Amino acid sequence: QGQVVESGGGVVQPGRSLRLSCAASGFTFISYGMHWVRQAPGKGLEWVATIWYDGSNKDYADSVKGRFTISRDDSKNTLYLQMNSLRAEDTAVYYCARDRVGGTSDYGVDVWGQGTTVTVSS
Amino acid sequence: DIQMTQSPSSLSASVGDRVTITCRASQTISTYLNWYQQKPGKAPNLLIYAASTLQSGVPSRFSGSGSGTDFTLTFTSLQPEDFATYYCQQTYGTPYTFGQGTTLEIK
Repeated sequence: QGQVVESGGGVVQPGRSLRLSCAASGFTFISYGMHWVRQAPGKGLEWVATIWYDGSNKDYADSVKGRFTISRDDSKNTLYLQMNSLRAEDTAVYYCARDRVGGTSDYGVDVWGQGTTVTVSS
Repeated sequence: DIQMTQSPSSLSASVGDRVTITCRASQTISTYLNWYQQKPGKAPNLLIYAASTLQSGVPSRFSGSGSGTDFTLTFTSLQPEDFATYYCQQTYGTPYTFGQGTTLEIK
């Protein structure tokens, strides 16, 4: 089935940067598209970014476009989210998630991490 | 962007009840609609994909239907472990928007 484990969250001042990591295991990482989804305290789920299985395409929510960068290192089975120019409204639990079907995001995500908390505060 | 609207936002029900949650898309999304369950402090869990296909391991008391813009998630007989928050998500195109969530509470 597979597993993903996020890390890298913490408390950061507005305007600063942070990089999240997501270590994947138990499945063929290079075959799957990956996503970041976040959840602000007491709020619903917000899709943040997606990277295709081959890294050829990346998409972002408007709220993070130009500030966040999703990437993957297939040699390390690891997904990243580089977050720059952080704002208070970026405070959330950030989840890493895997496409249910390799090669397409059409059928949802079925493997989720436990989440890593990012708090943007002065 | 495609907006997803769930109704109701919250619902009180009893064990054994039959319950339906609705999700409406702002434009047609065919059957690119997924449902997730989330319990407090936990990651979401995929229940249904492609509008009506049950994810492996999900009990058959859950069912999904719909296509185009209108979708439903139905519980045939609520169990104590079903009280949680439910989200729909469209994967027709990015951004892969979620509905605002429906919280199912015990009456």
